[in-house]
Amino acid sequence: NFMLTQPHSVSESPGKTVTISCTRSSGSIASNYVQWYQQRPGSSPITVIYENNHRLSGVPDRFSGSVDTSSNSASLTISGLKTEDEADYYCQSYDSNYQRVFGGGTKLTVL
Amino acid sequence: VQLLESGGGLVQPGGSLRLSCAGSAFRFSSYALSWVRQAPGKGLEWVATISAGTDTTNYAVSVKGRFTISRDNSRNTLYLQMNALRADDTAVYYCATSPQYYDTLTGYYSFYFDYWGRGTLVTVSS
Repeated sequence: NFMLTQPHSVSESPGKTVTISCTRSSGSIASNYVQWYQQRPGSSPITVIYENNHRLSGVPDRFSGSVDTSSNSASLTISGLKTEDEADYYCQSYDSNYQRVFGGGTKLTVL
Repeated sequence: VQLLESGGGLVQPGGSLRLSCAGSAFRFSSYALSWVRQAPGKGLEWVATISAGTDTTNYAVSVKGRFTISRDNSRNTLYLQMNALRADDTAVYYCATSPQYYDTLTGYYSFYFDYWGRGTLVTVSS
């Protein structure tokens, strides 16, 4: 099995761009799709990115996903930050036994 | 898509509980479904998934042998039977629709969660 490691927290100002990383501990990040979920305080998660870079219906195009094999990591980039983007963000992939794996989550503060 | 969980509550260690998730506003029988949990102040943890058609199931190592996922398509309801509960099973349990398929064009499998319910809290304590 493998782990997905995310920074504990990131912060940025409104209107700016922020990138959250998700690094796979073993095996290639490109071996399996990566998803991203947003969870605002007190709310259930919502899906923002699936299959590396596809936005779920209704997700603004300010959200984008990518994969970088050189760093063995996936990234979620949010441009034009809004205060409503303040939330926890989780990456997710799966292993060869179809076990779904989540990253530990990143708290985004928009200040 | 609407998903509404129920059945959470306080249960003693070693006890059992059955969670339900009622689906509406979508073709329930066509979707694979999952349970994902979140311990207080912690991150998300996948628990189990059941397929749409064949009722194939898949479990996290932490719950395998203790939890059973099932579905009743005639009632548009997903279940999670939880036995031998432990304190570390304390969490909010979410149900979610869970696309899973093999893309013949890319050669990739896809396993993710797209729509989520509001969750139900399970507390295991004496």
